[in-house]
Amino acid sequence: GQQLNQSPQSMFIQEGEDVSMNCTSSSIFNTWLWYKQDPGEGPVLLIALYKAGELTSNGRLTAQFGITRKDSFLNISASIPSDVGIYFCAGRSGGNQFYFGTGTSLTVIP
Amino acid sequence: NAGVTQTPKFRVLKTGQSMTLLCAQDMNHEYMYWYRQDPGMGLRLIHYSVGEGTTAKGEVPDGYNVSRLKKQNFLLGLESAAPSQTSVYFCASSYGGTNQPQHFGDGTRLSIL
Repeated sequence: GQQLNQSPQSMFIQEGEDVSMNCTSSSIFNTWLWYKQDPGEGPVLLIALYKAGELTSNGRLTAQFGITRKDSFLNISASIPSDVGIYFCAGRSGGNQFYFGTGTSLTVIP
Repeated sequence: NAGVTQTPKFRVLKTGQSMTLLCAQDMNHEYMYWYRQDPGMGLRLIHYSVGEGTTAKGEVPDGYNVSRLKKQNFLLGLESAAPSQTSVYFCASSYGGTNQPQHFGDGTRLSIL
């Protein structure tokens, strides 16, 4: 299957700091999605991207669809304790299947 | 509005036993999916369905079967459970079309002894 490399694997930051994470694929994608997963729950969609170069915000979150179509980025500004969780990227290159990254675990220290 | 509901939430099986995981969605979504989530590997697609009465294989279909007899339900079956199938299983659904984001249930934690 497709390989999605997500980095960093984990982050420990102070409350109030900004966060950046990214996802790269071995092939061109047509759609990028970003999800957040809290312990014991399923992933929840944060942002969906459909066009190369697209920049979309959802509150303090901003995601970009890379112009090469092989990467995507997620930024969180002014982090708060409830931002703690695992963030997943997912991408689709064609067909019906989305491929998921291995996740970035975020810890916010008050 | 419950969204995507998975039952059971937890289950322990012995090797060789069979069981069925149920996924129900109340959003009138056409597409439904079953994933497994293992540590360090993200989510991997097992099977999916693009509509009532249809199913297709995903990335890791071996050892699993599925059925979509009703639009709102998607069943995942393990005919003869193996320890390698110990995982957290997630069901998801989407409205339609392959660009539509997927909405996930809260997962079923399955242990095979």
